[in-house]
Amino acid sequence: AQSVTQLGSHVSVSEGALVLLRCNYSSSVPPYLFWYVQYPNQGLQLLLKYTSAATLVKGINGFEAEFKKSETSFHLTKPSAHMSDAAEYFCAVSATGGGNKLTFGTGTQLKVEL
Amino acid sequence: KAGVTQTPRYLIKTRGQQVTLSCSPISGHRSVSWYQQTPGQGLQFLFEYFSETQRNKGNFPGRFSGRQFSNSRSEMNVSTLELGDSALYLCASSLVWGTDGEQYFGPGTRLTVT
Repeated sequence: AQSVTQLGSHVSVSEGALVLLRCNYSSSVPPYLFWYVQYPNQGLQLLLKYTSAATLVKGINGFEAEFKKSETSFHLTKPSAHMSDAAEYFCAVSATGGGNKLTFGTGTQLKVEL
Repeated sequence: KAGVTQTPRYLIKTRGQQVTLSCSPISGHRSVSWYQQTPGQGLQFLFEYFSETQRNKGNFPGRFSGRQFSNSRSEMNVSTLELGDSALYLCASSLVWGTDGEQYFGPGTRLTVT
């Protein structure tokens, strides 16, 4: 069975600073990995996905993530935080051949301060 | 192209009642999944439908059921509501079943059970 662990339920950064949100996965088969963002009172929006085509994945809003098999990690980064990035971020995994079922991490609330 | 729509957006029910939630996927998408989001349990997979057939099911009691219609619209039903069923219910659609798991989420239905 696959799972993801997000380290840090709350992360606070200054506007303009680097954003780093951590995600480690556990999967018995090569996984598909995703990052979603959720703004208050809204659904989830797909930021980016990894499907083995490239280890460095670029997403929307300047976010990117790097798949590192040796570290079983898929951390999300953004070089310069903006106030509008404040939201909750979820890492998720789906197994190849497992349909579209996503298993989510517990989420990381990102706070951006002036 | 219109996104995933869910109705109603907010719902208040009493313990013991039943409720039906509706989801219309993105035009052309044929797979629909449902997730429950609560502060305590996070995001949990309920079930997934494709071509009017349930393809995946999460670990929820039989009080939770769903179906999909020929136009890909989906409904989920919760019978004999309990206080713990209070949650945000999210619907997600995908183009097909069994690919990389990329899904697009609706805004959710906020169910409150009193």
